[in-house]
Amino acid sequence: GNSVTQMEGPVTLSEEAFLTINCTYTATGYPSLFWYVQYPGEGLQLLLKATKADDKGSNKGFEATYRKETTSFHLEKGSVQVSDSAVYFCALTMFSGGYNKLIFGAGTRLAVHP
Amino acid sequence: DSGVTQTPKHLITATGQRVTLRCSPRSGDLSVYWYQQSLDQGLQFLIQYYNGEERAKGNILERFSAQQFPDLHSELNLSSLELGDSALYFCASSVEAEGVDTQYFGPGTRLTVL
Repeated sequence: GNSVTQMEGPVTLSEEAFLTINCTYTATGYPSLFWYVQYPGEGLQLLLKATKADDKGSNKGFEATYRKETTSFHLEKGSVQVSDSAVYFCALTMFSGGYNKLIFGAGTRLAVHP
Repeated sequence: DSGVTQTPKHLITATGQRVTLRCSPRSGDLSVYWYQQSLDQGLQFLIQYYNGEERAKGNILERFSAQQFPDLHSELNLSSLELGDSALYFCASSVEAEGVDTQYFGPGTRLTVL
């Protein structure tokens, strides 16, 4: 079946460090891929998305490229800030069985220290 | 702000009780999805409604039910509550049910069952 695998956290970085959170997926067909972020005590916010192979999603300095050949959608940011501390969820959506099924990874907690 | 609203923000109740969670989708969105987020199970899809009709069911218990009203707001009813039902409940909405589209999440309702 369709699934998403993320690197386990927590990821702990110093401010201004480079961030990579790995995400790979298994899907039949051509899913759309998403990164959602959950700040402490808040709901899920859409961070970025990509709908086809080689698309790059970007927002707030974060970016991820849809790589069909490696079935990956790794999240990167060149210089993290303390305010980026949150849980990041990789997800895919497929139209299956008559509805859009959104499948999440387990989430990766990022802690950024000054 | 995603445009999806949920009430109440917090709910504390006792085992055996019944509660109702409310969600208003983004303006123009016809689909509403309900998710449960718990520490041990991660994000679980519960149920989807499209324009007033049930479209898909996920891991929803028989003690739980939902409906979507003509004004498109939705309610999730949880009855005979157990300690294990304590979780964050999210609502999401999207423009349409068919095809691949983006789900936008509300801030969630934190349910605590004592």
